Amino acid sequence: KQEVTQIPAALSVPEGENLVLNCSFTDSAIYNLQWFRQDPGKGLTSLLLIQSSQREQTSGRLNASLDKSSGRSTLYIAASQPGDSATYLCAVKGFVDSWGKLQFGAGTQVVVTP
Amino acid sequence: DAGVTQSPTHLIKTRGQQVTLRCSPKSGHDTVSWYQQALGQGPQFIFQYYEEEERQRGNFPDRFSGHQFPNYSSELNVNALLLGDSALYLCASSFAGTGYYEQYFGPGTRLTVT
Repeated sequence: KQEVTQIPAALSVPEGENLVLNCSFTDSAIYNLQWFRQDPGKGLTSLLLIQSSQREQTSGRLNASLDKSSGRSTLYIAASQPGDSATYLCAVKGFVDSWGKLQFGAGTQVVVTP
Repeated sequence: DAGVTQSPTHLIKTRGQQVTLRCSPKSGHDTVSWYQQALGQGPQFIFQYYEEEERQRGNFPDRFSGHQFPNYSSELNVNALLLGDSALYLCASSFAGTGYYEQYFGPGTRLTVT
């Protein structure tokens, strides 16, 4: 059974510092991994999707890496801004049911202080 | 291009009642998944609909049922509501044809059971 863990549960950094968010999963047979952002009480916004054959994806200040063999993904946010304050969730899609469900971690709550 | 929409935004029900939540997928998408997100936790997969059939189901009791219409919109029904059903209910849509199965989420429906 796939287990997805995000550590730490919460993180506070001063504006301008780089953010490093971690995601680990127990079953390396994944189809893809997605990183999402969630503002309080709101839905999920997809940030990056990494296919299992890829090692990283980049979008603007965001970079996500994937190491399937060690069951880890890392989301880097460069030069953080107060607007980056949100909860960040990672989710994996299994290889067997690649069309199906996402398995989520509990998220990392990020606060960027001015 | 309209994204995923959900209605209503908020809902308050009494224990034992029944509720119906609605979702319209992103234009061009044919698959709808439903998730339940309790406070402080990651979303949990309820079920997925494709071609008007339930294709995959998570660990939720039969009180949770759904439907997908020919226009790909979907409903989530919950019978005999319990206090523990209070959560944010998220709908996600995807297109089966690309092979990426990237899921796009709606803003959610906040259900409070009293």
